[in-house]
Amino acid sequence: DAKTTQPPSMDCAEGRAANLPCNHSTISGNEYVYWYRQIHSQGPQYIIHGLKNNETNEMASLIITEDRKSSTLILPHATLRDTAVYYCIVRDDYKLSFGAGTTVTVRA
Amino acid sequence: DTAVSQTPKYLVTQMGNDKSIKCEQNLGHDTMYWYKQDSKKFLKIMFSYNNKELIINETVPNRFSPKSPDKAHLNLHINSLELGDSAVYFCASSLGLVSYEQYFGPGTRLTVT
Repeated sequence: DAKTTQPPSMDCAEGRAANLPCNHSTISGNEYVYWYRQIHSQGPQYIIHGLKNNETNEMASLIITEDRKSSTLILPHATLRDTAVYYCIVRDDYKLSFGAGTTVTVRA
Repeated sequence: DTAVSQTPKYLVTQMGNDKSIKCEQNLGHDTMYWYKQDSKKFLKIMFSYNNKELIINETVPNRFSPKSPDKAHLNLHINSLELGDSAVYFCASSLGLVSYEQYFGPGTRLTVT
């Protein structure tokens, strides 16, 4: 049911920026892109969302391409605690449909 | 202060039993959800309630029955448990139906033997 495609896994060095790509080529004009993450054995946690413009908050930045067919989540300075599964979600009505996500491992 | 809490955290039971999982949120939210995360780690929505009214009911067996006694609580009752019901069940809440942020509980790991 997920409308997004993400790489299954990626590694990142501690202190470096982590860039997580997501393809959502079938996104429609009024659908938002959401990012959540799930740290091992915990419930998912909201990170950020956006429609057209780039967005930034205290956790991350979201870069959405002009055609809106893809986006990138940027963790500016990854720490070991950022090791988690990251989910890119295109919201369908009232539902969040989680795909397989990207397993991000931050290494010291 | 836990925003979304679930009890129990672990539940081990035998096939055929009936069990309940409780969820409470102290955020004053109007909307609550139940999700199921199976062994392959896929997280799927089961139900959503808004102001105690059922809004989303995915293709879930009718052995699963959610109950919302008030806006702060959404319980999940499961009848005649089967092996395939083994999973982690997450409760979540949001300010409203179209709110961008859902707050998830810590999960209940259900094991059916």
